[in-house]
Amino acid sequence: GQQLNQSPQSMFIQEGEDVSMNCTSSSIFNTWLWYKQDPGEGPVLLIALYKAGELTSNGRLTAQFGITRKDSFLNISASIPSDVGIYFCAGRNSGNTPLVFGKGTRLSVIA
Amino acid sequence: NAGVTQTPKFRVLKTGQSMTLLCAQDMNHEYMYWYRQDPGMGLRLIHYSVGEGTTAKGEVPDGYNVSRLKKQNFLLGLESAAPSQTSVYFCASSGLAGIEQYFGPGTRLTVT
Repeated sequence: GQQLNQSPQSMFIQEGEDVSMNCTSSSIFNTWLWYKQDPGEGPVLLIALYKAGELTSNGRLTAQFGITRKDSFLNISASIPSDVGIYFCAGRNSGNTPLVFGKGTRLSVIA
Repeated sequence: NAGVTQTPKFRVLKTGQSMTLLCAQDMNHEYMYWYRQDPGMGLRLIHYSVGEGTTAKGEVPDGYNVSRLKKQNFLLGLESAAPSQTSVYFCASSGLAGIEQYFGPGTRLTVT
């Protein structure tokens, strides 16, 4: 089946630093979404992207829908301790097919 | 407005026992999903439903059954639990476009 490759798998950063992570696919997607999962909780939707080239922000988070439609990027500016968690990308390529999820990027923030 | 709720939150089963996990949503969503999450594996789709009375297989359906008798509820059944089914199970729902999914808090299942 389709797979999404997220990188990096994990990262440790200092509080206040900016963070970048990405998600790539071998096939074209029409929709990209980014989720965050706090420890012991379900994933929460952060940002949804619907057009190639689209750049959308949600507070300190900014996500982009790659122009090739095969990738997406998530940036977090000025990280804080509550940014800790697992960030998942998800995509859908057509019609009513279910979302495909990446395996996640685990973010740790050192105060 | 509770969103997506799951019961129970935790469960321990012995190999061969059966159980049903309940998911309920109060957002009048058409689509509902069951995922399992294992360390390093991300979220894997078990079964999903595009409307009341319909179900479809996902990526890892073996050993599980589902039913969607009411629009707001989606049940996941394990007929004969196996240790390989030890996992955290998440339910999600989405509206008519079936894109933006909203997740429940999860059920942690251990099979011994």
